Amino acid sequence: AQSVTQLDSHVSVSEGTPVLLRCNYSSSYSPSLFWYVQHPNKGLQLLLKYTSAATLVKGINGFEAEFKKSETSFHLTKPSAHMSDAAEYFCVVRAGTGGGNKLTFGTGTQLKVEL
Amino acid sequence: DARVTQTPRHKVTEMGQEVTMRCQPILGHNTVFWYRQTMMQGLELLAYFRNRAPLDDSGMPKDRFSAEMPDATLATLKIQPSEPRDSAVYFCASALGGGTDTQYFGPGTRLTVL
Repeated sequence: AQSVTQLDSHVSVSEGTPVLLRCNYSSSYSPSLFWYVQHPNKGLQLLLKYTSAATLVKGINGFEAEFKKSETSFHLTKPSAHMSDAAEYFCVVRAGTGGGNKLTFGTGTQLKVEL
Repeated sequence: DARVTQTPRHKVTEMGQEVTMRCQPILGHNTVFWYRQTMMQGLELLAYFRNRAPLDDSGMPKDRFSAEMPDATLATLKIQPSEPRDSAVYFCASALGGGTDTQYFGPGTRLTVL
């Protein structure tokens, strides 16, 4: 079985300050991990993915995430928040070869960026 | 710019009516997924297809939901009869191939059943 836990349902930051969205995962197989972003009334857009290559993954719009197996974490970070980053962010796990391509989504973290 | 398209974007219907949602996957993608998003349950996988064949529909209520791929460019999700608890946003996603490919999501169909 696989699951993800997004530790914060809401995060609020000031524009220009760092962003940290936390995610812990559980998987019976070697997992692939993703972060997707959903802007209001839009579909989901892939930010970045980890698939057992480099543990520090860089994505679009300045986001990056680090896979830490010892901590079963895959936190999403960005050095400096922009107003356009305000959205909902989903941490997603996919089981390895034994789990096919089924994704399990976290409950989401709503990021608010204030002036 | 290849993308997944879904129609309609919004649908309001009355309880008991049939609802059909359509999805056009990215050309060349052979795996198609249907998800449902609600405030209470978050994002749930309903069903997915590979090469037009259903691989897993365990997330779908069988008595009223059905999913098909009449051809490689069209996937449908049908609810008959619809109920208020079916109100949600339904997303379609497609992937190029098998177990390791990234899923690309459509914009969703927002369904409201009165």
